[in-house]
Amino acid sequence: DAGVIQSPRHEVTEMGQEVTLRCKPISGHDYLFWYRQTMMRGLELLIYFNNNVPIDDSGMPEDRFSAKMPNASFSTLKIQPSEPRDSAVYFCASSIKTTGQPQHFGDGTRLSIL
Amino acid sequence: AQSVAQPEDQVNVAEGNPLTVKCTYSVSGNPYLFWYVQYPNRGLQFLLKYITGDNLVKGSYGFEAEFNKSQTSFHLKKPSALVSDSALYFCAVRPDYGGATNKLIFGTGTLLAVQP
Repeated sequence: DAGVIQSPRHEVTEMGQEVTLRCKPISGHDYLFWYRQTMMRGLELLIYFNNNVPIDDSGMPEDRFSAKMPNASFSTLKIQPSEPRDSAVYFCASSIKTTGQPQHFGDGTRLSIL
Repeated sequence: AQSVAQPEDQVNVAEGNPLTVKCTYSVSGNPYLFWYVQYPNRGLQFLLKYITGDNLVKGSYGFEAEFNKSQTSFHLKKPSALVSDSALYFCAVRPDYGGATNKLIFGTGTLLAVQP
């Protein structure tokens, strides 16, 4: 079975530009999570969805960040405008609904804002 | 506040020796506990979990973990370390939210370095 698929794997862009990160969760999974990983702050949960509905976006750092899940097989995380401090690795993860089941992570998007 | 602590930023061990990566937690209720491993330029991979039952759980790649409720710990162990075990290890906990969610609280990670 295919795992969680993220694209692009690497993104380099200049500050002020719009950045869109994409995620395809594992088929049949109900939950989708977006994380950010940096050396300074470790792994941070940004937002998560249940059945395509955002449940908790308290980790979204600023209004410049937005996330959508238009259907069960696709989600985007958008940063507009981007800033150098947004440079990080962004992970998407998914899990089935059953309580206690593990999250499955994609291999991330390494984002560099110049 | 609910939290997970991994007190060691790095653990060094010689190949063939036993290894332990420590994790303690502070959450209410009966938590579910997880260990993940992250190799360079990869996402986190699930290793094992504790839900209920036997306090010693076995997972992938020969790893196991021991749940200790009185000490609120969930240490990761392996009897004989391999150089290929060198990676970043994360402990995570799902608190007893009283509802259906699989949101996790992650520790800060412990870098395991196994010397040949």
